[in-house]
Amino acid sequence: NAGVTQTPKFQVLKTGQSMTLQCAQDMNHNSMYWYRQDPGMGLRLIYYSASEGTTDKGEVPNGYNVSRLNKREFSLRLESAAPSQTSVYFCASRDGGSEKLFFGSGTQLSVL
Amino acid sequence: RKEVEQDPGPFNVPEGATVAFNCTYSNSASQSFFWYRQDCRKEPKLLMSVYSSGNEDGRFTAQLNRASQYISLLIRDSKLSDSATYLCVVGWDNYGQNFVFGPGTRLSVLP
Repeated sequence: NAGVTQTPKFQVLKTGQSMTLQCAQDMNHNSMYWYRQDPGMGLRLIYYSASEGTTDKGEVPNGYNVSRLNKREFSLRLESAAPSQTSVYFCASRDGGSEKLFFGSGTQLSVL
Repeated sequence: RKEVEQDPGPFNVPEGATVAFNCTYSNSASQSFFWYRQDCRKEPKLLMSVYSSGNEDGRFTAQLNRASQYISLLIRDSKLSDSATYLCVVGWDNYGQNFVFGPGTRLSVLP
């Protein structure tokens, strides 16, 4: 089982560049999430999608946009990257009947 | 005050030792509690949920104290493979978007 797949694993951007982080899950989960993890801090929710066709802001949405392309895929876009967006990004999914979050392997993003 | 607080450690313990971590939370309306494990440069994975009456899974025991607003994780007979960061997660419901992650406690089990 692939579970939650994220691409790319690593990315270096220059300030002002744009990029899209891709996430796909093969577990038929309704809910999907994007988190960022910074040193000394807990994972913080950027955006989430409770079901196909819906997206909502989390704790730290500024500078990001998302698309729930279909039930499987949930992408995160940085339109104009800033050094403050240097972080590790995790995508996660959850089945509606369970509290358990399944995470992808993460994307290490550096913005210079 | 941060919503979920944990001692960052590191906790360095010898193999076979018993070690305990605490986590405090600020939202008294919190309803769901979890411990996740995160290996270095890997994704978090659910270790166990924490129930009101406390629960055990092999060498791992989780406790909840609602009155003092903390949860604990006890690891008995530590193994080298237990070395990881342990994340405390608290939610005011069972929906993932309302989960708050603590910064984690790092454990190193030494031979």
